[in-house]
Amino acid sequence: AQTVTQSQPEMSVQEAETVTLSCTYDTSESNYYLFWYKQPPSRQMILVIRQEAYKQQNATENRFSVNFQKAAKSFSLKISDSQLGDTAMYFCALGVGETSGSRLTFGEGTQLTVNP
Amino acid sequence: DTGVSQNPRHKITKRGQNVTFRCDPISEHNRLYWYRQTLGQGPEFLTYFQNEAQLEKSRLLSDRFSAERPKGSFSTLEIQRTEQGDSAMYLCASSYRTSGHNEQFFGPGTRLTVL
Repeated sequence: AQTVTQSQPEMSVQEAETVTLSCTYDTSESNYYLFWYKQPPSRQMILVIRQEAYKQQNATENRFSVNFQKAAKSFSLKISDSQLGDTAMYFCALGVGETSGSRLTFGEGTQLTVNP
Repeated sequence: DTGVSQNPRHKITKRGQNVTFRCDPISEHNRLYWYRQTLGQGPEFLTYFQNEAQLEKSRLLSDRFSAERPKGSFSTLEIQRTEQGDSAMYLCASSYRTSGHNEQFFGPGTRLTVL
């Protein structure tokens, strides 16, 4: 079974500053992928960034980057130069290999508020 | 392509009634997923299809729930004899299966309220 834990229910940051959201996971699979999804208020979920477990290099996507610590099963998201539009619920998700159809296991979410 | 669409966006029903939701995935996506999200929680997997075949169902999917994807395009999720505990957001996602793990694109969801 797969589990994903996000221990920060809420976080806030000032506009233009940097914030890090934490996520830990557990799986016995060797082939898996990790994702951060963003769900703005009353809007649909969109993918922020993804990381393949077999890649040692941390993924980056513009202002978003991850710190993937495979041995510690940790996958944190860093948002640089925070913008008001980054205010949303952020979900960490784990997708295992083809044996499970690539379904996603989500954490409980972290509500991020960017203050002006 | 306008993305994944779901209808209706909101549904209010009385306990004991049947409800049906529809999901239209991104065209050419051969995988379709249903998730359920309760307030303040992350989505939980319910079931998924590859083309028209339903390949996996979660234990969360009781006998009152049934999903279909008759021609490998749109999908329907039916809940029979609804209960108040069924109140949730029902999310649909689609992806195109190749090697590896592809991004799932989510729809806006159908919010169900059972009175």
